[in-house]
Amino acid sequence: QIQLVQSGPELKKPGESLKISCKASGYTFTDYAMQWVKQAPGKGLQYMGWINTQTGKPTYADDFKERFVFSLETSASTAYLQINNLKNEDTATYFCARGIIRGDYWGQGVMVTVSS
Amino acid sequence: DVVMTQTPVSLSLAIGQPASISCKSSQSLLGTSGKTFLNWILQRPGQSPKRLIYQVSKLYSEVPDRFSGSGSETEFTLKISRVEAEDLGVYYCWQGTHFPTFGSGTKLEIK
Repeated sequence: QIQLVQSGPELKKPGESLKISCKASGYTFTDYAMQWVKQAPGKGLQYMGWINTQTGKPTYADDFKERFVFSLETSASTAYLQINNLKNEDTATYFCARGIIRGDYWGQGVMVTVSS
Repeated sequence: DVVMTQTPVSLSLAIGQPASISCKSSQSLLGTSGKTFLNWILQRPGQSPKRLIYQVSKLYSEVPDRFSGSGSETEFTLKISRVEAEDLGVYYCWQGTHFPTFGSGTKLEIK
């Protein structure tokens, strides 16, 4: 069955970096883009952007054009989200989801806490 | 960016009652392909979002037929014919016709 399994929770200090993963299984990884979504505590869903899994080209929403990097390890069917120079406002749960148009499968989410 | 406006913000309904959630977009979601990429997802408490409906009205196979979606251009509706306990959570519409954006969510509580 199709699954997106994300890495575990993270506790980081401001200014640090992190890289979270989203491992896909049950389908051909390069057939669908991978999108990333942020959910701050108690808030709604915020679209971050996506990465073309065939070309590796990322596309970012305006709020995520700095400090955020989408990447791939295609041989491992895995997408990554890296956040540099972490800020308190990056505290959130980050979801990956398959496809841009439908987002039909979602990962379980990674809770990221940024605190000094 | 396309702004997605959902109403109401919350609903409190008894089991068996119908539910209706509105989603309006600031631009037409009819794409050049002739398709409208308007989706509905449900996020139950403590869980990741789950798919419900795509292209306005198409239910995913595992979604009960008490759910239905309708609408066109800029106005869309999600309906639940008879609410069940498992339907509680936050419903989001989101569009994939333009750069994707989410609605602000509608919280469904069970009385």
